Formats: sequence, structure tokens, C-alpha cells
Amino acid sequence: DAKTTQPTSMDCAEGRAANLPCNHSTISGNEYVYWYRQIHSQGPQYIIHGLKNNETNEMASLIITEDRKSSTLILPHATLRDTAVYYCIVRVTGNQFYFGTGTSLTVIP
Amino acid sequence: DAGVTQSPTHLIKTRGQQVTLRCSPKSGHDTVSWYQQALGQGPQFIFQYYEEEERQRGNFPDRFSGHQFPNYSSELNVNALLLGDSALYLCASSLEIWPQSIYGYTFGSGTRLTVV
Repeated sequence: DAKTTQPTSMDCAEGRAANLPCNHSTISGNEYVYWYRQIHSQGPQYIIHGLKNNETNEMASLIITEDRKSSTLILPHATLRDTAVYYCIVRVTGNQFYFGTGTSLTVIP
Repeated sequence: DAGVTQSPTHLIKTRGQQVTLRCSPKSGHDTVSWYQQALGQGPQFIFQYYEEEERQRGNFPDRFSGHQFPNYSSELNVNALLLGDSALYLCASSLEIWPQSIYGYTFGSGTRLTVV
């Protein structure tokens, strides 16, 4: 059973909003959803996390559905430097976190 | 403020050999997790250390072992290396109270291990 399901790849025009979806239908009621991104096989970088309310920070916005079974990461004005693999992460058991295979986002000039 | 530091950055080993990878957590963090990332895949949880003990383990054989020191730094050891162990090994540090805290994992840049 996949803990998270994300599209394999997406393209976005530079300057436009990038909307990255994630399904996490088995998430528990008190579990957070985290988003990280990974550029050029560097270490993953934290973007944002949330429980049930929508969240916004300087990097992105996170929209979580009311039933918490899915979420969308929004990069409001994508730049070329946002080209990366984006991971939606939930906790599997205890301290074990499931990354999945992520979405490879390509920002096109 | 130094983030997570991993060493070495790259390593080439021969099948059957043993390897030790090292990680220094971000200042103020007390928990260290190790992940294996094969090419084109997402990171997979190996294990987590807190208070010098292995707290949880993923689906990895006993050839993978670790240690955490009193200063919170950690080592990952892999014995009897296989070709399939070739991967990027990531260390992530965090606070024990996560995920209740606002802080998530902070990752290092990883050690690229190639087994030939």
C-alpha cells in the first residue's frame, strides 16, 4: 500500500503557479503532512507542513482537504530554481517516514 | 549555524567490504535518522537513533547497523557490501519532540556510496 501517491512528473511555466497534488488516504487524524524538495541529489530541503488547516510561508502554500486524504503544494510564482523533485511525506509508524517517489517538477522558461 | 554534516561525500568500495559513514547533526538537535536513496527513488528509512539507542528500524538487514554518540553524532555501518548497496545515504537530524514541534527533519547533503 502506497502511503502517498504523487504524479511522476509535471511541467510549469516560469512565473506561473505550480500546483503539486498528493494523495494520502491512510493518514491518521493527528498526523502531519510534510513537503520537502530535493535538487540535484542534494539533501532534501524542508518546504512546509500542516495538519488540517491551510498553511502559508515564504516558500509555498499548503492546501489540505477537509477529509485530509489529499493535499496540494502551491508554489505561487515558479522560478527556474524551483526545478526539483518534490516529496509529500507522512509518518508510517512511530518515527518512520514515507517519502514515496515524489514529483519531478520542471519549470520551463 | 552549521546544518547537518556528513562525511565522506563520496566513497567507492568493493563487494564484501565494510563501510562507515558519519553524521554530525544540526546544533540543538538530538535525534538522527538515516535514509538510503537509490537512483531515481525516494529516500527509504533505515533507522533512527535517540539517546544513543536505535529507536526504530526500517526494512533493512542486520548488515546495516549504527551508533549514536553522547554528542549526538552518529555513524552508519554496512557490512558485507553488495552491489545493491550503491546509493546516496542521507542523514537527517531532528528534535525528539518532533513532529509535535514546528521543526522537521534537517538533511545533510549525503554520502554517495558506490560498490564495485
